[in-house]
Amino acid sequence: DTGVSQDPRHKITKRGQNVTFRCDPISEHNRLYWYRQTLGQGPEFLTYFQNEAQLEKSRLLSDRFSAERPKGSFSTLEIQRTEQGDSAMYLCASSLQGDPKFGPGTRLTVT
Amino acid sequence: AQSVSQHNHHVILSEAASLELGCNYSYGGTVNLFWYVQYPGQHLQLLLKYFSGDPLVKGIKGFEAEFIKSKFSFNLRKPSVQWSDTAEYFCAVNLPNAGKSTFGDGTTLTVKP
Repeated sequence: DTGVSQDPRHKITKRGQNVTFRCDPISEHNRLYWYRQTLGQGPEFLTYFQNEAQLEKSRLLSDRFSAERPKGSFSTLEIQRTEQGDSAMYLCASSLQGDPKFGPGTRLTVT
Repeated sequence: AQSVSQHNHHVILSEAASLELGCNYSYGGTVNLFWYVQYPGQHLQLLLKYFSGDPLVKGIKGFEAEFIKSKFSFNLRKPSVQWSDTAEYFCAVNLPNAGKSTFGDGTTLTVKP
């Protein structure tokens, strides 16, 4: 169990730019989740995959956000035309059953 | 939709004091319940979980939590805290076989040596 890894760990971008984050789950885990966390709040659910199928998306996930998990292994989360309000920690988690294991997160700062 | 409420935003204790962090959730059906901890500079780690069975669950590092269904509560306890327990604690709930977990806003615990 090497844990969930995320890349990059930090990203600074200018407003209006596109960014993409990658998540590599624990290898035998079939479920993969994306959450967003801002200061002083708990993680907020964005979306989740079972294998390659995206089964649920939060209303928080506007049209500028898209997530993929093309082969049921790693996943990418893309944010287009970033806004300052997108500044947050983006967390990835994976699970086989009910208890997700979290990665270290990608901290996005939009200037 | 489920929601999770953590009553205390910041708790300050001295070493060896007892800890109880409150967590209430709103959902009438069967739920899975979790407590996560985030130490400074580290990622979220699972402390303990409740799926079914004995409502008193024991986790790592001497933590335990009690599920009281009638009160929709899942409070976290530790009889004697240590300085190394300084961290942020999150309560979370999800539905069996569902993907989404709903988190509370967290409680920051500061333990004074």
